[in-house]
Amino acid sequence: ETGVTQSPTHLIKTRGQQVTLRCSSQSGHNTVSWYQQALGQGPQFIFQYYREEENGRGNFPPRFSGLQFPNYSSELNVNALELDDSALYLCASSSGTGSYYEQYFGPGTRLTVT
Amino acid sequence: GDSVTQMEGPVTLSEEAFLTINCTYTATGYPSLFWYVQYPGEGLQLLLKATKADDKGSNKGFEATYRKETTSFHLEKGSVQVSDSAVYFCALSGTNTGNQFYFGTGTSLTVIP
Repeated sequence: ETGVTQSPTHLIKTRGQQVTLRCSSQSGHNTVSWYQQALGQGPQFIFQYYREEENGRGNFPPRFSGLQFPNYSSELNVNALELDDSALYLCASSSGTGSYYEQYFGPGTRLTVT
Repeated sequence: GDSVTQMEGPVTLSEEAFLTINCTYTATGYPSLFWYVQYPGEGLQLLLKATKADDKGSNKGFEATYRKETTSFHLEKGSVQVSDSAVYFCALSGTNTGNQFYFGTGTSLTVIP
């Protein structure tokens, strides 16, 4: 069974640029969530996708957007990058949207905005 | 809104000491509660979970009991090892917010030989 994978591992961008992060969900999982983890903090929920539709969004501006594909992999896009967007971005997959489903996390993408 | 408050760190213990990391939550309804662990340079790994009141989650010698009356889910281990050194996160998934997780700020644990 393949776990959650993310690419790239590290990324350096300049303020104002756009970035796309990718995530492959664990086999059999149809739900993908994205989190932002600032240094020394807990992960903050960005949004969730279930069967290619957005299924909940945290307190993040519209320049954070996403997609889920028919194979349940997902992308996170961030436009007009700001310095505060520097963080570890975590993708997690689960087998449903109920509160009792555990989420399985990928290793993360470390984004640095200069 | 839903939230988790976690014991501030860092925590330093000697090997074989008893560990408690406090976690309290605020939520409407009946959330599910989780503990995740993050080893240096790695992503989050599920340690244990409990989905209803009085449930006890356990794994690798760690335990936590879902206490609705005190809105708590404290993590305990009777005898820590050096390999337990990591950051521990308490999290909840609320009944009104589907599978959206709310995390605490994390507690860093260092176990010294």
